[in-house]
Amino acid sequence: AQKVTQAQTEISVVEKEDVTLDCVYETRDTTYYLFWYKQPPSGELVFLIRRNSFDEQNEISGRYSWNFQKSTSSFNFTITASQVVDSAVYFCALSEARTGANSKLTFGKGITLSVRP
Amino acid sequence: KAGVTQTPRYLIKTRGQQVTLSCSPISGHRSVSWYQQTPGQGLQFLFEYFSETQRNKGNFPGRFSGRQFSNSRSEMNVSTLELGDSALYLCASSLARQTNTEAFFGQGTRLTVV
Repeated sequence: AQKVTQAQTEISVVEKEDVTLDCVYETRDTTYYLFWYKQPPSGELVFLIRRNSFDEQNEISGRYSWNFQKSTSSFNFTITASQVVDSAVYFCALSEARTGANSKLTFGKGITLSVRP
Repeated sequence: KAGVTQTPRYLIKTRGQQVTLSCSPISGHRSVSWYQQTPGQGLQFLFEYFSETQRNKGNFPGRFSGRQFSNSRSEMNVSTLELGDSALYLCASSLARQTNTEAFFGQGTRLTVV
């Protein structure tokens, strides 16, 4: 069975601080996908990134960066120079190729990030 | 381009009643998935439909059912509502099941069972 653990539940930082959100996953499949979603107060999940299990390259998109390490089954997310607009709940998720890349996502419990001015 | 539309946004029902939620995917998207979000259990996968066929199912009782129409719009139904069914129900659509595209989520339907 697959599992996603986000050990941090709430993080509070001051604007312009860097913050790292941790994600550890478990799966028996060799082909899988990892995701990060952001959920603002309005409720919809906003897609941030998807990585497949064969691509361990780290990725940077503006102030966001992701570190994928298969050796430790981790897919961590760093926000550099955080802003108040980054305040939201962040979810890490996992899907397995055999059930469909975008289907049957297993989500972590989410991390509530508060960025104070 | 319109996003994923879920209706209604809010719903209050009484225990024992049934409810139907609707999801209109992004135009051209053929895969629709449903998730339940509660404070206790978090986000849990309910089921996925693709081309009017249920392709995947989560671990929910038979009171939860769904369907997809030929225009890819999907509905989910919960019968004999229980207090524990109070949740945010999210729908996600994607272009296809295996392509390199992401799933887009709607804003959800918040169901309160009293």
